[in-house]
Amino acid sequence: NAGVTQTPKFQVLKTGQSMTLQCAQDMNHEYMSWYRQDPGMGLRLIHYSVGAGITDQGEVPNGYNVSRSTTEDFPLRLLSAAPSQTSVYFCASSYSNEQFFGPGTRLTVL
Amino acid sequence: AQSVSQHNHHVILSEAASLELGCNYSYGGTVNLFWYVQYPGQHLQLLLKYFSGDPLVKGIKGFEAEFIKSKFSFNLRKPSVQWSDTAEYFCAVKVFSGGYNKLIFGAGTRLAVHP
Repeated sequence: NAGVTQTPKFQVLKTGQSMTLQCAQDMNHEYMSWYRQDPGMGLRLIHYSVGAGITDQGEVPNGYNVSRSTTEDFPLRLLSAAPSQTSVYFCASSYSNEQFFGPGTRLTVL
Repeated sequence: AQSVSQHNHHVILSEAASLELGCNYSYGGTVNLFWYVQYPGQHLQLLLKYFSGDPLVKGIKGFEAEFIKSKFSFNLRKPSVQWSDTAEYFCAVKVFSGGYNKLIFGAGTRLAVHP
């Protein structure tokens, strides 16, 4: 199993550009989530999904959209990037009581 | 609102020193508790977890944590740290809110171990 994979690993955007961060898992987990990690703030939940077709907002959803058309994929979309979205983004999937994290995407918005 | 507090943002120790990282949470219901570690340049890995039973749980690499329900705490301990323990440590609490389970993280404690 590849576990949780994320692409790209690094990305630089200009303010106002849009992009999609990809996340996929091959463990058939129903629950998937997106976090952003900022210094001194830990991980904050952006959006999560409890299964295909079901998504909900987390702690910091503004500026981000998600969809879940399949169990495997959970992309995160930035419609109009802002410097405040410079961060490291982690995708995670979970089964029962354990979360598995992807390697992260480091995003810089200029 | 539910929250997780980690008391120390930065800890510096010498090898062989003992470690204790504090974690307190605010939530009145049943919780599942976790400690994750993030080594430099890597993603989060699970160190240990508590669901029920013995409040003293043992994890990987010699780490342990004690759940004290009356204090809403879940402190992480290691008797003798090594240079390879240099990492950032996150306490997390799983709560049931809004109809779903959610994992809430603390801000993290960055540990530096000097040889």
